[in-house]
Amino acid sequence: EAQVTQNPRYLITVTGKKLTVTCSQNMNHEYMSWYRQDPGLGLRQIYYSMNVEVTDKGDVPEGYKVSRKEKRNFPLILESPSPNQTSLYFCASSLFASPETQYFGPGTRLLVL
Amino acid sequence: TQLLEQSPQFLSIQEGENLTVYCNSSSVFSSLQWYRQEPGEGPVLLVTVVTGGEVKKLKRLTFQFGDARKDSSLHITAAQPGDTGLYLCAGIKASGSRLTFGEGTQLTVNP
Repeated sequence: EAQVTQNPRYLITVTGKKLTVTCSQNMNHEYMSWYRQDPGLGLRQIYYSMNVEVTDKGDVPEGYKVSRKEKRNFPLILESPSPNQTSLYFCASSLFASPETQYFGPGTRLLVL
Repeated sequence: TQLLEQSPQFLSIQEGENLTVYCNSSSVFSSLQWYRQEPGEGPVLLVTVVTGGEVKKLKRLTFQFGDARKDSSLHITAAQPGDTGLYLCAGIKASGSRLTFGEGTQLTVNP
């Protein structure tokens, strides 16, 4: 089944404890992206990648890191999480090097205490 | 400041009523998309409009892209409880590498 998977789906952590949220797609998509969703703000793009080893900042990249070493995986790293990073995170992918026709993962709900 | 502004933010109507959701911007977009999101799930793409003035229909949903490609609307005819969800518009600029979302419209259709 073609899909975007994220792990974990739910995570509670404490301030400063490094964490990684994994994202994987099995559709051989070129473009992958991370978004955070907060009430009243819609989805805001954190980082995106148009191909392996090519990443770029979105609208809210501060406090996050990404890497794209393989085409299928695009992990989101929070080196030192803070409470303002409590949010619902979505990974998405699309076939071509463009955000058109993106498929979204199921989301990761993160709570930073 | 949100680049894409949606209105209304919340809408609660009775089954059978019609409704329109608006997505406005001062910027020009090369294409505009509408997504629907249900609780606990990621957004699902409904439609992409790319030409100014374009109208697309998806069963009871009608999507329109403004002539100047700065705004869009979603019209639902005879709404049903199954239409309940968060509707999001999103635009892609000419550079083509980033997607900007509106705040969303939470629609509730009561039986």
